Amino acid sequence: AQKVTQAQTEISVVEKEDVTLDCVYETRDTTYYLFWYKQPPSGELVFLIRRNSFDEQNEISGRYSWNFQKSTSSFNFTITASQVVDSAVYFCALSEASGGSYIPTFGRGTSLIVHP
Amino acid sequence: ETGVTQTPRHLVMGMTNKKSLKCEQHLGHNAMYWYKQSAKKPLELMFVYSLEERVENNSVPSRFSPECPNSSHLFLHLHTLQPEDSALYLCASSQGQVLGEKLFFGSGTQLSVL
Repeated sequence: AQKVTQAQTEISVVEKEDVTLDCVYETRDTTYYLFWYKQPPSGELVFLIRRNSFDEQNEISGRYSWNFQKSTSSFNFTITASQVVDSAVYFCALSEASGGSYIPTFGRGTSLIVHP
Repeated sequence: ETGVTQTPRHLVMGMTNKKSLKCEQHLGHNAMYWYKQSAKKPLELMFVYSLEERVENNSVPSRFSPECPNSSHLFLHLHTLQPEDSALYLCASSQGQVLGEKLFFGSGTQLSVL
């Protein structure tokens, strides 16, 4: 079973639309971290946000916002008033304490295409 | 200067060739990683080095051979690859191997095996 599920393979929107990227995770740990990374066409994954399991406060950064809900094991990402530059593949990741290596497990990614 | 630099950006090789991918990080980090990204598949962790020691080897075929001569450099030596090895190979680094550590990625090497 996947530890991080990003059910949306590809999303296509028109500029200025709001869009939400879903992320559902699975862990038995009480201490863990969740991440979102953006992979533009240039290739490198760029860190966007990190949340630990004890902090369920939602976060807003400009047009980006994140909704962390432990009750549903979800960490969703919303882009408000999307722009063409938001076109990229977005990855959700989970880092757990069990196992000892702490290396993040990535979801399959959601490809977001924003049309002008 | 970008934090994590990978060369070459593109590589085409035949199945009998030997080539190497290079990664260099300018962030003073102690851990470095190789990931493989194939179309329609999740990111696959291949190798992890922490303080120049290999700490993770995810059942990667022996035709991939990593080398970490110092904490700033990481290589992936390739020999007798198969067409299914064609993928984007990403290098990453982190400050250490601590829970919650974020990774810094390079732009990757797009490898095509003919």
